[in-house]
Amino acid sequence: GAVVSQHPSRVICKSGTSVKIECRSLDFQATTMFWYRQFPKQSLMLMATSNEGSKATYEQGVEKDKFLINHASLTLSTLTVTSAHPEDSSFYICSASSPSGGAGEQYFGPGTRLTVT
Amino acid sequence: GENVEQHPSTLSVQEGDSAVIKCTYSDSASNYFPWYKQELGKGPQLIIDIRSNVGEKKDQRIAVTLNKTAKHFSLHITETQPEDSAVYFCAASWGYGQNFVFGPGTRLSVLP
Repeated sequence: GAVVSQHPSRVICKSGTSVKIECRSLDFQATTMFWYRQFPKQSLMLMATSNEGSKATYEQGVEKDKFLINHASLTLSTLTVTSAHPEDSSFYICSASSPSGGAGEQYFGPGTRLTVT
Repeated sequence: GENVEQHPSTLSVQEGDSAVIKCTYSDSASNYFPWYKQELGKGPQLIIDIRSNVGEKKDQRIAVTLNKTAKHFSLHITETQPEDSAVYFCAASWGYGQNFVFGPGTRLSVLP
């Protein structure tokens, strides 16, 4: 149980274009989903938190107009990188959470490797 | 806010030996402490977790201990195997699935 999928696993796009990444919780309803960014050999950096049906909460320094997050249902959240630039190249990972008897566990997707050329 | 430190940053052990990774946290309100294993090019995988009302938890070769007074928790892997080689992240959290703060990670190498 607690499986989270991401699509695509890898994407290469040209500078100036937009890319959409999907995150799905396959066997549970995720009240909250999170989007992280990870640079090589570094820890996970939280970008934003989204709750189904409401606007995402972005971490300080993350441009909400550049990284659009839509949490349309309890099993799907999307991250759209708009007007991508080479510096947006990174490993993007989503996670999903469902409260269970206290602090909710976070289950991570397999990640999406974005390369902007 | 919460700050999580993790040591060591790299760890090499011989196959069959034990490995210990330690984390400290700063916010006494944190009440959930998961450990994740991340293999190259993959997302983190939850391997064990502990809540603040428990001092120790074990799952086969993996155990986690928590010292709330000292604000530190540790991951113990016994009888290490080459497939245990990965980056391990600890995290501290409070609330319902929110407010996760990750440690910087430990790269574990198990040498055959």
